[in-house]
Amino acid sequence: GAGVSQSPSNKVTEKGKDVELRCDPISGHTALYWYRQRLGQGLEFLIYFQGNSAPDKSGLPSDRFSAERTGESVSTLTIQRTQQEDSAVYLCASSERTQSPLHFGNGTRLTVT
Amino acid sequence: AQSVTQPDIHITVSEGASLELRCNYSYGATPYLFWYVQSPGQGLQLLLKYFSGDTLVQGIKGFEAEFKRSQSSFNLRKPSVHWSDAAEYFCAVVTLQGGKLIFGQGTELSVKP
Repeated sequence: GAGVSQSPSNKVTEKGKDVELRCDPISGHTALYWYRQRLGQGLEFLIYFQGNSAPDKSGLPSDRFSAERTGESVSTLTIQRTQQEDSAVYLCASSERTQSPLHFGNGTRLTVT
Repeated sequence: AQSVTQPDIHITVSEGASLELRCNYSYGATPYLFWYVQSPGQGLQLLLKYFSGDTLVQGIKGFEAEFKRSQSSFNLRKPSVHWSDAAEYFCAVVTLQGGKLIFGQGTELSVKP
């Protein structure tokens, strides 16, 4: 079956522009996570959705970052007024439920010039 | 606050030698524990997981890990390393009560001939 799909795979944007990253989780997966991975570094938790519960936004680095999820389907991560330090790979992952192993997408590589 | 520590940023081992990657966690509750591997240019793949029961768990590619509650550790081991094991390894934790999955900073493994 299809895995986690992220689009675009690469995005180059100018400083100050807004970007929107998309994640299509595996069908039926109730949990969805966004992580950021800067070059040569670990996975930084951003936000977590579980079913219809309020999302855990504790990892969002600033109010320029926001994310939404439609039911148990697509999620979008929006970064407003992008800065150069936002350059990173943004990874989305989904799981059947909380505590189940995660299935990762291939990520979106964001470059802010 | 919950945290995961991988004390070793980079480890180099000879092919055929044994390997141990360290992971320590800080939680008040019983955790679920995972090890993921990220090979160059590839996505994250689950190696193994611990939920309950036998504290020594077997994973894919000949890896195993042991959960030691008294030491708050979940170290990854392999008796004989292959050149193809060169990758970044991440330990991750989530609590039984649910919530976000937190990753350690990763350990980069290099394998020399």
